[in-house]
Amino acid sequence: NAGVTQTPKFQVLKTGQSMTLQCAQDMNHNSMYWYRQDPGMGLRLIYYSASEGTTDKGEVPNGYNVSRLNKREFSLRLESAAPSQTSVYFCASRQDRDTEAFFGQGTRLTVV
Amino acid sequence: KNEVEQSPQNLTAQEGEFITINCSYSVGISALHWLQQHPGGGIVSLFMLSSGKKKHGRLIATINIQEKHSSLHITASHPRDSAVYICAPYGGSQGNLIFGKGTKLSVKP
Repeated sequence: NAGVTQTPKFQVLKTGQSMTLQCAQDMNHNSMYWYRQDPGMGLRLIYYSASEGTTDKGEVPNGYNVSRLNKREFSLRLESAAPSQTSVYFCASRQDRDTEAFFGQGTRLTVV
Repeated sequence: KNEVEQSPQNLTAQEGEFITINCSYSVGISALHWLQQHPGGGIVSLFMLSSGKKKHGRLIATINIQEKHSSLHITASHPRDSAVYICAPYGGSQGNLIFGKGTKLSVKP
C-alpha cells in the first residue's frame, strides 16, 4: 500500500525556471493538500482540494498553481521559481473532515 | 500569537526517561493529530484523537477539548524516538490542519 507518493524527492532549480511537483494517493481520499515547511516555522498550507474538481487557496498561495487532475492526483506548479520558494514541500490527503491525514515523503526544492 | 503553541521547543532526555510534550491551541477544534518527523524524513501520523486518551506501544496521547490542551507522552524513551513531534489540530471553517512549530526531541543512550 503506497499511500501518498510525491515526485521528485529532490530538485534544484534556477531562478525563473518552472516545474511541477506531483502527488498521487491510492486511498481513494476526497481531500488533498500541499504544504511547505521552512526552518523555524510550522507547515503552512499552500493550496488544497476538498474534493475532485475543486481547489482553494491556503495561507501562502502566491507563486503557485495547482491542478486536481483526478481523484488520485494533485499537482503543484511553480511557474517562475524564486529563491524564496526554497523549501520542503509535503503533499497530504484525507478522506473527509475529521479523518486521519496521510503525508507524502516530501520534496526538497532548492532555487538558486 | 500563534494558534498552536508547543512546549518545550527542544528537549534532551536520557534513554529510559518519561517524556511529555505539551500542545495548547486557541481555536475551536474537532480533532487533533500528533505527527512525527525524523531528520530529513517524511511526516508520519502517530495519533488522531478528539477526546480522552489513546495509547500505541510506548506512546500515549491525551486531549482535553474544553481546556484546549493535548499532551504526548513517551514512556521508556529510546534513541530511535529522536525526532520532531508536531501537534496539528483540525480547525477553521474548512477543518484544515493547523500546525505547531514542533518539539525537537533528542534521546541520548
